[in-house]
Amino acid sequence: EVQLMESGGDLVQPGGSLRLSCTVSGFTFSSYAMSWVRQAPGTGLEWVSAITASGGTTHYADSVKGRFTISRDNYKNTLYLQMDTLRAEDTAVYYCAKGTVVAASRFEYWGQGTLVAVTS
Amino acid sequence: QSALAQPASVSGSPGQTITLSCTETSSDFGTSTLVSWYQQHPGKAPRLLIYDGSKRPSGVSDRFSGSKSGNTASLTISGLQADDEADYYCCSFAIRTNAVFGGGTKLTVL
Repeated sequence: EVQLMESGGDLVQPGGSLRLSCTVSGFTFSSYAMSWVRQAPGTGLEWVSAITASGGTTHYADSVKGRFTISRDNYKNTLYLQMDTLRAEDTAVYYCAKGTVVAASRFEYWGQGTLVAVTS
Repeated sequence: QSALAQPASVSGSPGQTITLSCTETSSDFGTSTLVSWYQQHPGKAPRLLIYDGSKRPSGVSDRFSGSKSGNTASLTISGLQADDEADYYCCSFAIRTNAVFGGGTKLTVL
């Protein structure tokens, strides 16, 4: 059974940092692209970032470029999102999602999400 | 930058067939653009319903079908059921734009 579990969400002040983790099981993590998708309270889904299976290529939404860093540890079956210089508008539930072996062209499985609240 | 427009809300009665639209507002869906659809119940994570425009993952009911024509992708739900009441999101993916979600449609089953 494919499972993804996010952790690391917290209450943080503007300008602060946070690192999210996503631990997976039930599939060969090192073979698949992965993504982070977020959902601000009461709003829709927003793609945040993606990383290829090897970790060699990363992509970011314009809204987080230069502030967030996606990475992965294929030995630990874990995906990360380092979030720096956080803003109030980064407040959201953050989901990790499994892509395909080629790219993060679709989100086949999702975790249950972890809440990040940026407030003073 | 791609932008996807979805109606804010749609409603239907049990047993009906309804179609949700997703319109690409900046240009046509290119042949290299991949469209997927997601269902999200309140407080739950999204679930993949359709990928590559019209393909269904295993485990998804054949009451859900997808299509694409010109600048509009569509999700059709036949035999509407109470449990279909949820938010539905389309998503386009292309190498030049990565993934872009539509604003979502709230489906109400009357």
